[in-house]
Amino acid sequence: KAGVTQTPRYLIKTRGQQVTLSCSPISGHRSVSWYQQTPGQGLQFLFEYFSETQRNKGNFPGRFSGRQFSNSRSEMNVSTLELGDSALYLCASSLSTGANYGYTFGSGTRLTVV
Amino acid sequence: AQSVTQLGSHVSVSEGALVLLRCNYSSSVPPYLFWYVQYPNQGLQLLLKYTSAATLVKGINGFEAEFKKSETSFHLTKPSAHMRDAAEYFCAVTFQTGANNLFFGTGTRLTVIP
Repeated sequence: KAGVTQTPRYLIKTRGQQVTLSCSPISGHRSVSWYQQTPGQGLQFLFEYFSETQRNKGNFPGRFSGRQFSNSRSEMNVSTLELGDSALYLCASSLSTGANYGYTFGSGTRLTVV
Repeated sequence: AQSVTQLGSHVSVSEGALVLLRCNYSSSVPPYLFWYVQYPNQGLQLLLKYTSAATLVKGINGFEAEFKKSETSFHLTKPSAHMRDAAEYFCAVTFQTGANNLFFGTGTRLTVIP
C-alpha cells in the first residue's frame, strides 16, 4: 500500500516568487492536512482539507493557501515568498476527519527561499 | 489552550538502557495524544496513539506510553535502547471534539551511546 507522496522533495525559490507543493494521500484517505516545520517555530498546522473543503486553518498569513481535488490529492501554494518561508512542509493524510483516525505523514518537501 | 510540553530537548542513553521521554499536555477537553518519530530528512512516523481506550498504549519498535490524567502526562518509554532508536521524537495532542489538528511539542532528540 503506497504511503503519502509529496512532490517535489526539494525546492529552491527566490524571494517574491510563488511555489506549489503537491500531496497525494494514501488511497482511500479523504482528509489531508499540511504542517510547516522550522527550527525556530517547530511543527505548526497550516490547514486541513476534507472532501475538497477547507475544514480548519492555522494561524498563517493569506499568502498560504491550499486546495483539494476530487481524488483527494492536495496542493498548497505560497505566494510572494519570504526568507522565513524556508521550511520542511509536511502533508498528513487520514481516513476521515476526526482525530481518532490518526494521521500518516509524507516525507515532506524541503523549501529553501534565497 | 491546548499544548504539549516536552521536557528535555536532548536525551542521551546508553545502548540497552531504559529510554524515557517526557510529555505533559494541557487540554480543556478530553485529549487524543500521539508520539511520532522523525529520522533525518524524513517525515514523521507514528509510534503510538492514545484515543481514550486503554491508558497503557503499546506502539511499534518496542515503545509504549501511559496516559495519566491526574498528572496530565503521556511519557514514552522503551526498556532497552537500540542504536536505531536515535532520532527526534515529538509528542502531539489533539481533541476528541472540535478541530482535530495536531499541536506538537518542541521535540526531544534521542542519542544512543554504544
